[in-house]
Order: sequence, then C-alpha cells, then structure tokens
Amino acid sequence: QSALTQPASVSGSPGQSIILSCTGTSSDVGGYNLVSWYQQNPGKAPKVLIYGDTKRPSGVSNRYSGSKSGNTASLTISGLQADDEADYYCCSYARGTTWVFGGGTKLTVL
Amino acid sequence: QVNLVESGGGVVQPGRSLRLSCAASGFSFSYSVMHWVRQVPGKGLEWVAVIAHDGNGIYYTDYVKGRFTISRDSSQNTLYLQMNSLRPEDTAIYYCARETPGTYYFDYWGQGTLVTVSS
Repeated sequence: QSALTQPASVSGSPGQSIILSCTGTSSDVGGYNLVSWYQQNPGKAPKVLIYGDTKRPSGVSNRYSGSKSGNTASLTISGLQADDEADYYCCSYARGTTWVFGGGTKLTVL
Repeated sequence: QVNLVESGGGVVQPGRSLRLSCAASGFSFSYSVMHWVRQVPGKGLEWVAVIAHDGNGIYYTDYVKGRFTISRDSSQNTLYLQMNSLRPEDTAIYYCARETPGTYYFDYWGQGTLVTVSS
C-alpha cells in the first residue's frame, strides 16, 4: 500500500494552465479507471474535483480536467486563479479493496 | 443537503482506546458506502477503512488492521470507528466520507475530528 507519487509543489501565474501528476502502479492507477482528485484548503475538508479518471462532478468548474496514461494520472487546471491555491491530492482504488492517496501537491499561484 | 459530523476525538494515552462517531443526515445513509480517512496535521491524506452499505463488506489499511473496527448503525444514521491499542502514529484528523456505491470515490466529507495519542 505505497502512496501514489505527486510532486510536492507546483506554481503558476494567473491565467496559465498547470498540470499536476500522480504516478502509481498497475495495481492501482494503471489497473482501474478509478482515480479521483481532491482540493483541500487550509483547515478544511477535501473536496472532490475529478472521479473515474476524467469525470467531473456537477458543480465543479470545467477549468479542472483529468486524464491518465498508463500508471500516471494528471489533473489540469486551466485559467489559473488565485483561489486555486490549495493542496491537491490524487487517490486511486487499489487491488484488495483499498484506496491509496498521493502525498499531495501544494499549488502556489504567483 | 448532505451533512457528516464527526465526534469523539480527543487526547488519549498510547495503548488506550477511543471510539469515533460520524452522524449522517441529508441522504440515504443505509444505501451509502462509508469510509474513514485520516490526515496527520500538515501532512497528506490516508485512507483507513470502508464499510459497505449493508455492513457486510469491511476493509482496512494494513496499518490499522486488527486494532481498528469500522461499524455502522443505519437505524441511527451513524458510522463508527473503534480504535484500540492506539499508537502515537495514529495521531491525526479523522474524516468520515461518503461513497455512492460503485463510484469508488469520496463525494462528501465531514469536517474531521482530531485524535491525539500522547502520554
């Protein structure tokens, strides 16, 4: 049950697009179409942005999009805004009926 | 609207026990899969346990297997986490989270309750 690998930090300027990566194995990310992404602001509970690798829940901005290639999933945030500054976590369903999170990426909007 | 409220956190000595509760409202609790997820303050998220809507499918992370027990009372719309033999590394904010069956993601979260294991 090793954690998925995410870069510790990413930064971008307002209006830019940035891509957050999440690397796992064939036992989790690559084995199922079940990666989800969460945004967490300081002192708050996480909020889902993407599920099923690419699906967006109703009410979530279309500036957030998910993709996957092999064992690596990605979250793209387009038109970066100041309030996108937060921590982002990927999560995957994994073999053996478990879930595994990434270590999180802190996004800074310059 | 969906509401999840955790309670039962606090300071406990190593080796002791604690039971967390998560009161659910605003949705059909008896048809929902429920999870516990924890987070060491300032660190990342860690999935802890899941219980199926009918209480029959229960799974844990290896780090708590044999020490923690997840359960639910659908008559009370409440999820529980019984934590025994607590260790300092169990110190974390514990969130309950809902999964719509078959979707494999957490669509609603509670605000969390802090458990501190320290002598």
